[in-house]
Amino acid sequence: DAGVTQSPTHLIKTRGQQVTLRCSPKSGHDTVSWYQQALGQGPQFIFQYYEEEERQRGNFPDRFSGHQFPNYSSELNVNALLLGDSALYLCASKGPNTGELFFGEGSRLTVL
Amino acid sequence: AQTVTQSQPEMSVQEAETVTLSCTYDTSESDYYLFWYKQPPSRQMILVIRQEAYKQQNATENRFSVNFQKAAKSFSLKISDSQLGDAAMYFCAYTVGFGNAGNMLTFGGGTRLMVKP
Repeated sequence: DAGVTQSPTHLIKTRGQQVTLRCSPKSGHDTVSWYQQALGQGPQFIFQYYEEEERQRGNFPDRFSGHQFPNYSSELNVNALLLGDSALYLCASKGPNTGELFFGEGSRLTVL
Repeated sequence: AQTVTQSQPEMSVQEAETVTLSCTYDTSESDYYLFWYKQPPSRQMILVIRQEAYKQQNATENRFSVNFQKAAKSFSLKISDSQLGDAAMYFCAYTVGFGNAGNMLTFGGGTRLMVKP
């Protein structure tokens, strides 16, 4: 049983560009959350998707947007990249009637 | 807003010894959940232990146990018989609930645990 998978694992972009990160939840899971983890810090909540809708959002600008597909997979899009967007982006999924979040290994984004 | 504070950026323990990692949090809620996550160099967050605030009994998972002091808003993790594989970043985290409308985790800044052979 595959866990949470994310792609790509690493990527480099330049300021002003746009990036799309992808996440496939653990089998049987229907809720996906995204977190940003800057180097040396704890993860910060970006948003959560359930039934293809954004259900909760953290303190992130509109440049951060997302999508959830009918198969429960999800994308995180970041527009107009800034140097400060360099971070590890973690995806987490959970199933119905359970509280445990399962995390992927993350996508390391470097903005030059 | 809820905050989670880990006051120990780094901790070191000798293999087979016991170490305690500290965490404090701030919330006005009476019912919530607390977690300790481990993040090894592989980057994947792994759940170590979980505590429901309404339970008075401290959670235990094999070598890992917590000391949950609700009035003091303190949630420390004790690792007994430390092993080399325990070396990692440890994050304390808090959430109000697990509803599909939102179960945002608020994380602390982390504690790096080093295990000496």
